[in-house]
Amino acid sequence: EIVLTQSPGTLSLSPGERATLSCRASQSVSSSYLAWYQQKPGQAPRLLIYGASSRATGIPDRFSGSGSGTDFTLTISRLEPEDFAVYYCQQYTSSPWTFGQGTKVEIK
Amino acid sequence: QLQLQESGPGLVKPSETLSLTCTVSGGSISSSNYYWGWIRQPPGKGLEWIASIYYSGSTFYNPSLQSRVTISVDTSKNQFSLKLSSVIAADTAVYYCARQQRFYGSGSYLNYWGQGTLVTVSS
Repeated sequence: EIVLTQSPGTLSLSPGERATLSCRASQSVSSSYLAWYQQKPGQAPRLLIYGASSRATGIPDRFSGSGSGTDFTLTISRLEPEDFAVYYCQQYTSSPWTFGQGTKVEIK
Repeated sequence: QLQLQESGPGLVKPSETLSLTCTVSGGSISSSNYYWGWIRQPPGKGLEWIASIYYSGSTFYNPSLQSRVTISVDTSKNQFSLKLSSVIAADTAVYYCARQQRFYGSGSYLNYWGQGTLVTVSS
């Protein structure tokens, strides 16, 4: 099973600032089979990024993903008020498909 | 617009079987492009994938739960279902159903989610 470790656990930033979230895998995620999700309180997760860097339908271009192998990054270029939420990475290189433990982006 | 809706009891007694159904509307569960999956989230914790199924009945299970889980599909009703047996308090969670993109014969990312349903295991 591939274990995903996200850091930091919590990121305290102000609107307009840049957010950089990390996701590290215990073994190589082949062909960049990695996705990112956003979850707000009381809501289901929403797909943001798949294939490590492809934005899902309707996702603003301030969200971008990068990385390969075992190290991946989600970047939010300028935080909007609606971006404060919890973010999860997920690998689909091999079953069982696994998620990271999440990074909370909170208002400073 | 695709919609997924979970249904089932919100309270299950320890040692009993949790049963949930996901009804898909606005699209066909028999599409060749997708798997259909269940994911859960204990209160205040992260996400755990449970199982996924293709319309033909092909399945993937999380080994950590496989001995207690059965996933099934009913294409005539555009529904798929989850059964989790011998539940304990640690199975208390919000259970989500979701559409999973099919990728080289396997599952991948989850691009549509239901709103989730809280299932509490308690006597």
